[in-house]
Amino acid sequence: DVKVTQSSRYLVKRTGEKVFLECVQDMDHENMFWYRQDPGLGLRLIYFSYDVKMKEKGDIPEGYSVSREKKERFSLILESASTNQTSMYLCASSSGQGNGQYFGPGTRLTVT
Amino acid sequence: QKEVEQNSGPLSVPEGAIASLNCTYSDRGSQSFFWYRQYSGKSPELIMFIYSNGDKEDGRFTAQLNKASQYVSLLIRDSQPSDSATYLCAVGLTGTASKLTFGTGTRLQVTL
Repeated sequence: DVKVTQSSRYLVKRTGEKVFLECVQDMDHENMFWYRQDPGLGLRLIYFSYDVKMKEKGDIPEGYSVSREKKERFSLILESASTNQTSMYLCASSSGQGNGQYFGPGTRLTVT
Repeated sequence: QKEVEQNSGPLSVPEGAIASLNCTYSDRGSQSFFWYRQYSGKSPELIMFIYSNGDKEDGRFTAQLNKASQYVSLLIRDSQPSDSATYLCAVGLTGTASKLTFGTGTRLQVTL
């Protein structure tokens, strides 16, 4: 079974803090993704990576950056957290082309 | 214009009935189609995928694809209260590192 883990289930941070969210997958998947999910807006892609050190912007990259130094690990960084970044953050991974994505449990981030 | 459209629901069906969930997509180049189930407060779980026109059955679930009409559906036979969840339709293009576009989901309620 594919296992995707995320560093925290719940996180509370203050406005202006730098926030790191980590995701690890154990299935040697090439592709990894970061989404945020908000009521009524669905899943929105922030960034994705198709190889180590490779990254591409998704639909809403502003205010975020990512790092992929190892194949199994994909980090999402909020450079200066703001209240409008309060959300559920979901990491996913997949192999090859045209395959389904497998999600981690999510991190519910609250920025106060 | 949304790329993947789903009726938000709620779709209410009695226990034991067939639940029919529908999804339309706009990009004719779409090649892969997925259904995810998401329980409240949890992350999406991949339950079905389909690549070719026609039906694909897995237990109580049947996915149906009609590329000419740009239409995907999920049928759940003998619906159970445990099927109550939000169902997300996702669509992928080839050559995009398994990048998917998600609908906003249909909430299904199975009543006793």
